[in-house]
Amino acid sequence: AQKITQTQPGMFVQEKEAVTLDCTYDTSDPSYGLFWYKQPSSGEMIFLIYQGSYDQQNATEGRYSLNFQKARKSANLVISASQLGDSAMYFCAMREDTGRRALTFGSGTRLQVQP
Amino acid sequence: AAGVIQSPRHLIKEKRETATLKCYPIPRHDTVYWYQQGPGQDPQFLISFYEKMQSDKGSIPDRFSAQQFSDYHSELNMSSLELGDSALYFCASSHGLYVDTQYFGPGTRLTVL
Repeated sequence: AQKITQTQPGMFVQEKEAVTLDCTYDTSDPSYGLFWYKQPSSGEMIFLIYQGSYDQQNATEGRYSLNFQKARKSANLVISASQLGDSAMYFCAMREDTGRRALTFGSGTRLQVQP
Repeated sequence: AAGVIQSPRHLIKEKRETATLKCYPIPRHDTVYWYQQGPGQDPQFLISFYEKMQSDKGSIPDRFSAQQFSDYHSELNMSSLELGDSALYFCASSHGLYVDTQYFGPGTRLTVL
């Protein structure tokens, strides 16, 4: 079964606008972490933001915030004030804290910021 | 801040050849993960090490092996290369096995001809 689902293969947003990238997950582990990574066309994988399953507040890192809805098992990434440099592939990933420690990734969303 | 270092950044090999990829984690990081990302795909976990011991194994082919050395750097050895091994190989490091974020290196792009 797919553990991480990203239903938006591609998204467009105008420069300076906000955009939400969707991510839903599936786990029976009570303790887990959710991550978002950015992969520009150059290929590197850049860590953006982390949310722990027991965190009471949504994580924020500069222009990035994570809209964590535990009951709905969703962890959407919100990028405010989009910039041209935000154009990239964005991956949602999960780490379950029992058993395997490695990350399981979604299929990614390609974001294009238009001037 | 220091990041994860991977070498080489690009590698071209023929079928049936061998390849060795190297990963130098962020200083004081004791855990290393290897991922394989095929063209247009998401990264897939191969293998991980914590304190120089293998901690977990994913979808790593038997033709591949890896180890973590006393200075915490890791090497991924790939033998009998196949066309399907062409991919971007990432190493990620973290501090500890249970808590910390994994930080990725720039990747090694392997092309098998």
